[in-house]
Amino acid sequence: SQQGEEDPQALSIQEGENATMNCSYKTSINNLQWYRQNSGRGLVHLILIRSNEREKHSGRLRVTLDTSKKSSSLLITASRAADTASYFCATDVYNQGGKLIFGQGTELSVKP
Amino acid sequence: DTEVTQTPKHLVMGMTNKKSLKCEQHMGHRAMYWYKQKAKKPPELMFVYSYEKLSINESVPSRFSPECPNSSLLNLHLHALQPEDSALYLCASSQGGGRATGELFFGEGSRLTVL
Repeated sequence: SQQGEEDPQALSIQEGENATMNCSYKTSINNLQWYRQNSGRGLVHLILIRSNEREKHSGRLRVTLDTSKKSSSLLITASRAADTASYFCATDVYNQGGKLIFGQGTELSVKP
Repeated sequence: DTEVTQTPKHLVMGMTNKKSLKCEQHMGHRAMYWYKQKAKKPPELMFVYSYEKLSINESVPSRFSPECPNSSLLNLHLHALQPEDSALYLCASSQGGGRATGELFFGEGSRLTVL
């Protein structure tokens, strides 16, 4: 059962521009995580934000979390062609330890 | 390079075959996961093992049978699969313990084709 909706489904930008992806979810969570996946490969963890945090930074990544709206956003600044990938949010469902549920994903294309 | 190793990378099987997917991690993690991913879709959770015990089964058909022989290994036994089971099967591990799920480390996946 998938609970995350992401938008946009696809995003195409030029190198150097910023990319913003949004994620909405339905249940209470312990934390929300963002992952990246290159075509046909495994997923790579990018950042985790706990339910009591509102904003987190890691390098060129900035994540926000609004638990009242059950939504999160991922901002990638100064994007590079190498950032081209699919990005997924994943919610750690509250009180169901280990149940990490992925959103539908955003396919990001960064053109050189 | 991933620290979670999955074998085989590719598997083609008929509907009457019995095969297994294998996953190994040496990070001392105590939670291991199987996800199924169809093309252009998100990973779907199948099973979670915590301290070598099955803790979550997302109503997966019995033709998929997980096994956790020890804390480093996770298998997925496949029998009488259907063509719609063709997908990328992803194994992951996390530190485990605690009420919250931490960062998952994923393998590169096993791409399964059922004929």
